[in-house]
Amino acid sequence: DAGVTQSPTHLIKTRGQQVTLRCSPISGHKSVSWYQQVLGQGPQFIFQYYEKEERGRGNFPDRFSARQFPNYSSELNVNALLLGDSALYLCASSWELAGSYNEQFFGPGTRLTVL
Amino acid sequence: AQSVSQHNHHVILSEAASLELGCNYSYGGTVNLFWYVQYPGQHLQLLLKYFSGDPLVKGIKGFEAEFIKSKFSFNLRKPSVQWSDTAEYFCAVNPYSSASKIIFGSGTRLSIRP
Repeated sequence: DAGVTQSPTHLIKTRGQQVTLRCSPISGHKSVSWYQQVLGQGPQFIFQYYEKEERGRGNFPDRFSARQFPNYSSELNVNALLLGDSALYLCASSWELAGSYNEQFFGPGTRLTVL
Repeated sequence: AQSVSQHNHHVILSEAASLELGCNYSYGGTVNLFWYVQYPGQHLQLLLKYFSGDPLVKGIKGFEAEFIKSKFSFNLRKPSVQWSDTAEYFCAVNPYSSASKIIFGSGTRLSIRP
């Protein structure tokens, strides 16, 4: 079975631009979460979607937005890019929303560089 | 605020040495606990997990971790490390009340001398 897939692999943008990152969860998984991993740090939670609804949001500005489609794939959008947005953006999927035995599976990430 | 602390930023060991990486979290409710590993150039992989039951959990590649509830700790251990264990290790907590949100520690970089 295919794991979590993300596209593109790498992306270079300039300050002020907008970017869209894409994620396809493992087949059958209904929940998708997004994380930002800055070099040298652990991943930071951005969003969680379940059944196409936002169910959780981390401490990120409104420039960050996301959505989940009927096939459970997801997009993360970042507007007005700043240099500090340069990071590895990770997508993770899981069967359910929460609770016991809920395990997340991570994709390879999209490396975003903002110049 | 909920947080996860990993005590060591960089650990250097020789092959066959024993390993223990510390992890403490601040959350009083029920949690799921994880250790993830990120090998150079690869994505995050689950090493082991604790959901309930026996506080000593075994994972892949000979790793194990012990959940001590009274100390809010979930330390990772391996009796004899190999060069291939060189990687970044992340402790993570999923509070039951926070849906699928996982809170990660800042990571410990493990370097193994051949």
